[in-house]
Amino acid sequence: GAVVSQHPSWVICKSGTSVKIECRSLDFQATTMFWYRQFPKQSLMLMATSNEGSKATYEQGVEKDKFLINHASLTLSTLTVTSAHPEDSSFYICSAIGTGAGGNQPQHFGDGTRLSIL
Amino acid sequence: QKEVEQDPGPLSVPEGAIVSLNCTYSNSAFQYFMWYRQYSRKGPELLMYTYSSGNKEDGRFTAQVDKSSKYISLFIRDSQPSDSATYLCAMSVDSNYQLIWGAGTKLIIKP
Repeated sequence: GAVVSQHPSWVICKSGTSVKIECRSLDFQATTMFWYRQFPKQSLMLMATSNEGSKATYEQGVEKDKFLINHASLTLSTLTVTSAHPEDSSFYICSAIGTGAGGNQPQHFGDGTRLSIL
Repeated sequence: QKEVEQDPGPLSVPEGAIVSLNCTYSNSAFQYFMWYRQYSRKGPELLMYTYSSGNKEDGRFTAQVDKSSKYISLFIRDSQPSDSATYLCAMSVDSNYQLIWGAGTKLIIKP
């Protein structure tokens, strides 16, 4: 159980293109989803937290107009990198927390999206 | 000083050895402690999730939390080459709060 699917796994596109990444919880309802960015050989850096039906909360230094997050349902959140440039190339990972019995649940992660901007 | 300290390694051990991975932290408010395994170009996979102090065992994995020393450990018994990965510790004040991550330890199990 607790499977999070992320799509696409790898995308290469030209500078100036907007790219949408999907994150789905397959077998549970996710009240909260998180978006992370990871640079090579570094730990995960939280970009934003999103709750279903409300606006995302962005971490300091993350441009909300650049990284658009939509959490339209309890099983789907999307991250859109608008007008992507080479410096946006990175590994983007989502995670989700479910509403399991007993309340507190850990974050479960998708397999990440490798974004390469030419 | 970082909130969570973790030796990045790499840690190289022979197959079959017992592996000990550790993290120290400074925030005494942390209550939830996690260990994730991450293979190259994949997302982190939850291995162990513990609340407060104590031990938790799951197959070949044992997690220990010592809140008095602000120290957590992950032990892997009978290590296999397939255990080669980066192991990340993470902790939070509340389960819905932001996770604070260690740097990750790269583990190499030599056949």
